[in-house]
Amino acid sequence: DIQMTQSPPSLSASVGDTVTITCRTSQIINNYLNWHQQRPGKAPKLLIYGGFNLKGGVPSRFSGSASGTHFTLTISSLQPEDFATYYCQQIYDVPRTFGQGTKLEIK
Amino acid sequence: EAQVLESGGGLVEPGGSLRLSCAASGFTFISAWMAWVRQAPGKGLEWVGRITSRDVGATADYGAPVHGRFFISRDDSKNMVFLQMNSLRTDDTALYYCSTDDGKTWGQGALVTVSS
Repeated sequence: DIQMTQSPPSLSASVGDTVTITCRTSQIINNYLNWHQQRPGKAPKLLIYGGFNLKGGVPSRFSGSASGTHFTLTISSLQPEDFATYYCQQIYDVPRTFGQGTKLEIK
Repeated sequence: EAQVLESGGGLVEPGGSLRLSCAASGFTFISAWMAWVRQAPGKGLEWVGRITSRDVGATADYGAPVHGRFFISRDDSKNMVFLQMNSLRTDDTALYYCSTDDGKTWGQGALVTVSS
């Protein structure tokens, strides 16, 4: 199985800040990497697919990067609605696997 | 707009069975690979399994915790996918989400509680 190592587990930031979340995979996945946002009590929502492609309708302050087994999600100019939990997910092989999640909280 | 909607959740005793349904609309279901993901209370997302499209065999794969107990099927004539859950255990208690395998479309989830 492909292991996902996501960090940090939690992050405290202020409105207007820029934050970065990291996900490392245990093997090359050819950028088959999604980033999902989950607000409390809501279903996950896809933000980024293919490592760095922004899903239509997602604000441009969200961006993704990919390099080998290292992936990052960056959120610029944080807005109040961005405080949520973020998950990476590989869809290169089965079983699909998720990172452990990063809870982004307001400082 | 692509949508999926789960139904069939509820309370079941340990050892029992339950079948979840997922109705899809707004996309070409017959070519879609579909997945189930669960989330135990206060925990992260866990992949349950997925089924491929019929043109590549409607093959299902499962995560280790549910392998041999859970089964995914699909009915392309009704745009639906199903999750048959057998030999349920208390640690199967979770919100079960239906999604497209590519992660682009998610339902709101169906709550399954396994308790005596």
